[in-house]
Amino acid sequence: GESVGLHLPTLSVQEGDNSIINCAYSNSASDYFIWYKQESGKGPQFIIDIRSNMDKRQGQRVTVLLNKTVKHLSLQIAATQPGDSAVYFCAVGDTGRRALTFGSGTRLQVQP
Amino acid sequence: NAGVTQTPKFQVLKTGQSMTLQCAQDMNHEYMSWYRQDPGMGLRLIHYSVGAGITDQGEVPNGYNVSRSTTEDFPLRLLSAAPSQTSVYFCASSYQGRGGGYTFGSGTRLTVV
Repeated sequence: GESVGLHLPTLSVQEGDNSIINCAYSNSASDYFIWYKQESGKGPQFIIDIRSNMDKRQGQRVTVLLNKTVKHLSLQIAATQPGDSAVYFCAVGDTGRRALTFGSGTRLQVQP
Repeated sequence: NAGVTQTPKFQVLKTGQSMTLQCAQDMNHEYMSWYRQDPGMGLRLIHYSVGAGITDQGEVPNGYNVSRSTTEDFPLRLLSAAPSQTSVYFCASSYQGRGGGYTFGSGTRLTVV
């Protein structure tokens, strides 16, 4: 089955810096990838997704990069703000199965 | 407000008791699913449904039952609660379960003593 891992359980950055959160997956058949943000006591909130036919996608202050060769994706947050402090999960999907496999999450701490 | 509604928000059960966690969505989503989240871990899929009358098992289905009689509702039943089922449970829905974002409920925090 699919396994999804995050490289760092905790990432601490200064306000205004850029943040990069990494994720690795194992199943080469995975064809869509989603990043979620989870604040304390709340459910995961969709940030951005990318399909396997793309290698980069940009949103507002966020960019997701996908490297299918090494089965790696990353979430970049520009000009990190205190409101970005949360746990970030990557989730990997397989269209044929229609279910998501989640990584264990990276806690982003933004220092003022 | 449109979205996914989970009830109750908190629940304490004794070992061996049964209960049903409720999940309802008003977005006419075909796909609904249940996840559990344990401390320091990602979400793990329990069961999912791709439409009314259709359900399938996820990664950790043992001890849980589901049914999908309507598009809107997807209840999760714990048959005989065990301490290992202490967790936070999230329900999620999406239009087709492929790509894009899933909409999650705010979760049910369950403690089994």
